[in-house]
Amino acid sequence: GAGVSQSPRYKVAKRGQDVALRCDPISGHVSLFWYQQALGQGPEFLTYFQNEAQLDKSGLPSDRFFAERPEGSVSTLKIQRTQQEDSAVYLCASSTSEELFFGSGTQLSVL
Amino acid sequence: AQKITQTQPGMFVQEKEAVTLDCTYDTSDQSYGLFWYKQPSSGEMIFLIYQGSYDEQNATEGRYSLNFQKARKSANLVISASQLGDSAMYFCAMREPLGIGNTPLVFGKGTRLSVIA
Repeated sequence: GAGVSQSPRYKVAKRGQDVALRCDPISGHVSLFWYQQALGQGPEFLTYFQNEAQLDKSGLPSDRFFAERPEGSVSTLKIQRTQQEDSAVYLCASSTSEELFFGSGTQLSVL
Repeated sequence: AQKITQTQPGMFVQEKEAVTLDCTYDTSDQSYGLFWYKQPSSGEMIFLIYQGSYDEQNATEGRYSLNFQKARKSANLVISASQLGDSAMYFCAMREPLGIGNTPLVFGKGTRLSVIA
C-alpha cells in the first residue's frame, strides 16, 4: 500500500500478557518512529529507528517495552507483562524528510 | 516545561466561518520546524501544514494558513471557510533542531474543533 500500515487495529490483552504491534512503513522511508497516545492526550515519543538502527529509545516508559526493526523496514513494538496503564493508541510514523506520515494506530486495551 | 502549549481544549465554529487554533512553543534552538496535524475519529494523524523557523512568509496550504509570530513564539493555525468535515482533534507539533531527520516531533495536547451547521 501507499501509506503506513499498522496491525492489529485493535488489541485486547489481559493484564500480564505479552503483545506485539506491527508497523509497515512507506517503502524506502529510512526513519521510523513509535508514539504512544493516551486518551485525550497528544502523542508521546517512544523510540526512533534509522534503517535497522535504534538511535533513540529515550521515550520507552519501562524495560517491558522493546522495539525492533531487524531489516530496516517492518518494525515491531513488543510490550511484555502488560499493565492497565499501557492502554493507549500506539502510532507508527515514517519519513524521509521533515514530514512524518502516520499510520492509523493500534488501540491497545489492557483489562 | 511544556514545549508545545495549546490552551484551547475545545473550540466551536459555525460552518463557512474562519477559526484560529492557538499554539505557543518553547525552544532555544534557532532552527526548528512547526507542524499542524489533524486527527479525525478514525485515529490517523493527517499532516496539514509546516513552517520552518527561517521561513520569511507564513505558510499556506489551501484553506489552512499558519500565523507565525517568531518573537512571540506562536504558530496559530487558521482554517478559513470551515466545513463539517473539519471537525476533529488538531495538534501542534515541533521538531528541533532541523536539518537532520532523526529528531522526534513533540506534540501539544490538542484542540478539539467542532464545526456547527
